[in-house]
Amino acid sequence: EVQLVESGGGLIQPGGSLRLSCAASGFTVSSNYMSWVRQAPGKGLEWVSVIYTGGSTYYADSVKGRFTISRDNSKNTLYLQMNSLRAEDTAVYYCARRNSGSYDWGQGTLVTVSS
Amino acid sequence: NFMLTQPHSVSESPGKTVTISCTGSSGSIAINYVQWYQQRPGSAPATVIYEDNQRPSGVPDRFSGSIDSSSNSASLTISGLKTEDEADYYCQSFDSSNHWVFGGGTKLTVL
Repeated sequence: EVQLVESGGGLIQPGGSLRLSCAASGFTVSSNYMSWVRQAPGKGLEWVSVIYTGGSTYYADSVKGRFTISRDNSKNTLYLQMNSLRAEDTAVYYCARRNSGSYDWGQGTLVTVSS
Repeated sequence: NFMLTQPHSVSESPGKTVTISCTGSSGSIAINYVQWYQQRPGSAPATVIYEDNQRPSGVPDRFSGSIDSSSNSASLTISGLKTEDEADYYCQSFDSSNHWVFGGGTKLTVL
């Protein structure tokens, strides 16, 4: 059974850093196209970043230069390193996996940026 | 920048059919696949349609997707509405850089 379990969220001060994890089971992270999507409280979905099977990475303009997507093949885990956090980064962060054209989603982890 | 526009809300009665539109801002919406996600309150999104009109296993055939090139729009149609279909629905496609683009979401009320 495919599972995506995000963790690492929490309360962080503006300017701080946080690393989110997305632990995968039932498939191999390195063999799949993986994305991060976020949702601010009461708002819609916003794409954050993607990593392709070959390792290429891309970012939304709103996070470019501050966030880094990566994966650890030995842990079968996807990461999102978030630096220089701002209040507007407050959101639930979801990881998603492309699965033969469809997309599987994790349950999300909440990041709150506030002093 | 490529954008997708959805109605803020739609409502319909149980047993009826509802269609949610998703209109592309520029270029042809048919160039890239469109996905539809259902998000119930307090839950993560779930894919109900991918690649314009494909249903993941487990999604009932009451859900269907289509593309209309003449209006540059995609549509999600839900027939035989059930109260459990009440949720937010998001369309998603890709821009010229293959970055994901989401519509603003449509709140479906079944009453």
